[in-house]
Amino acid sequence: QVQLVQSGDEVKKPGASVRVSCGASGYTFTRYEITWVRQAPGQGLEWMGWIRRGNAIYAQKVHDRVTMTTDPSTDTAYMELRGLTSDDTAMYYCSRNGGGLDLWGQGTLVTVSS
Amino acid sequence: QSALAQPASVSGSRGQSITISCTGTSSDIGAYNYVSWYQLYPGRAPKLMTYDVTKRPSGVSNRFSGSKSGNTASLTISGLQAEDEADYYCASYTTSDTILFGGGTKVTVL
Repeated sequence: QVQLVQSGDEVKKPGASVRVSCGASGYTFTRYEITWVRQAPGQGLEWMGWIRRGNAIYAQKVHDRVTMTTDPSTDTAYMELRGLTSDDTAMYYCSRNGGGLDLWGQGTLVTVSS
Repeated sequence: QSALAQPASVSGSRGQSITISCTGTSSDIGAYNYVSWYQLYPGRAPKLMTYDVTKRPSGVSNRFSGSKSGNTASLTISGLQAEDEADYYCASYTTSDTILFGGGTKVTVL
């Protein structure tokens, strides 16, 4: 089955870091870029960045706090966000770029609260 | 970069057609034919409805169609149905090798 499965919801304190994983199955992982998108409560979709063949490009808003990586040996992508603030409370999605973002993970809710 | 401009809401009666606009610049929508549209229901992951301006993924109803003119893209939903009531977002590839989303449009079926 072609799918992306993300890690579970997280609760973090301000200033902490979070790492979200995204496991791919049912397709050749290395043939597609992985894009990360988030949606804060009541807000719209926000593109965070993408990673293709080991090279990542990040949105200006988070570029100094985010790192995206992939592990082809396990067909898994990772997104780490550091220096969390309440503004980072959001649902985080990984997606596959297959001509549009054609496959999405189920989402990981990251809550930042003291 | 500012989000692509979408109307906050669009409504229509069942069976009617509606069009959602998405306005950008010559650095995004106007630069490439890489505009896509996504449907969001509350609590669910986005679903790709159209990509590369006019293409439709397998399984998406042909009631959904995309178009573009200059710096503005559009999504038309024909034969509006109750299940089309959702939020819709446009997205475009940009000259900075990034993706820019629109602010989202809430579609209401009257």
